[in-house]
Amino acid sequence: DAGVTQSPTHLIKTRGQQVTLRCSPKSGHDTVSWYQQALGQGPQFIFQYYEEEERQRGNFPDRFSGHQFPNYSSELNVNALLLGDSALYLCASTLVDGELFFGEGSRLTVL
Amino acid sequence: SQQGEEDPQALSIQEGENATMNCSYKTSINNLQWYRQNSGRGLVHLILIRSNEREKHSGRLRVTLDTSKKSSSLLITASRAADTASYFCATEPFYNNNDMRFGAGTRLTVKP
Repeated sequence: DAGVTQSPTHLIKTRGQQVTLRCSPKSGHDTVSWYQQALGQGPQFIFQYYEEEERQRGNFPDRFSGHQFPNYSSELNVNALLLGDSALYLCASTLVDGELFFGEGSRLTVL
Repeated sequence: SQQGEEDPQALSIQEGENATMNCSYKTSINNLQWYRQNSGRGLVHLILIRSNEREKHSGRLRVTLDTSKKSSSLLITASRAADTASYFCATEPFYNNNDMRFGAGTRLTVKP
């Protein structure tokens, strides 16, 4: 049973560029959440997708957007990248009981 | 914004000793969870305690929850070098069960 998978694992972008990160949830999970984790900090909630809709959003600007597909996989898009967007981006899937299953993350470096 | 706050920020102990980490939070919750993260990798769920529970055990882990003080503690007994990691508490707010909010974590180092 595959767990949560994320791609790419590492990427480097320059300021102003756009990036797309991908996530496949654990088999049977229909809810996907995205988190940003800066170095030395805890994960910060970006948003959550359920039934292809954004159900909840954290305190992130509109430059951060997402999508969920019918197979429950999800994408995180960040436009107009800033240096401060450099972080580990974590995807987590869940069922109704709230336990989050995390992928290994995508480490984004913005130069 | 972050909901939980772990204390201490860093903890260093010898193998075999017990490690205690604390978490305080601000709003009423449905449940509180503890996660572990090895350096720069994904988080792994350790234990979930619901708001109507006071104590829970899982192997060498013991979690307590005091909703009146809005605090929780994680005890790892008989620590091992492999327990070296960052530990985070996460809370599911009572008013919104659609997201989990994490603290900044406690960095635990267990020396062999």
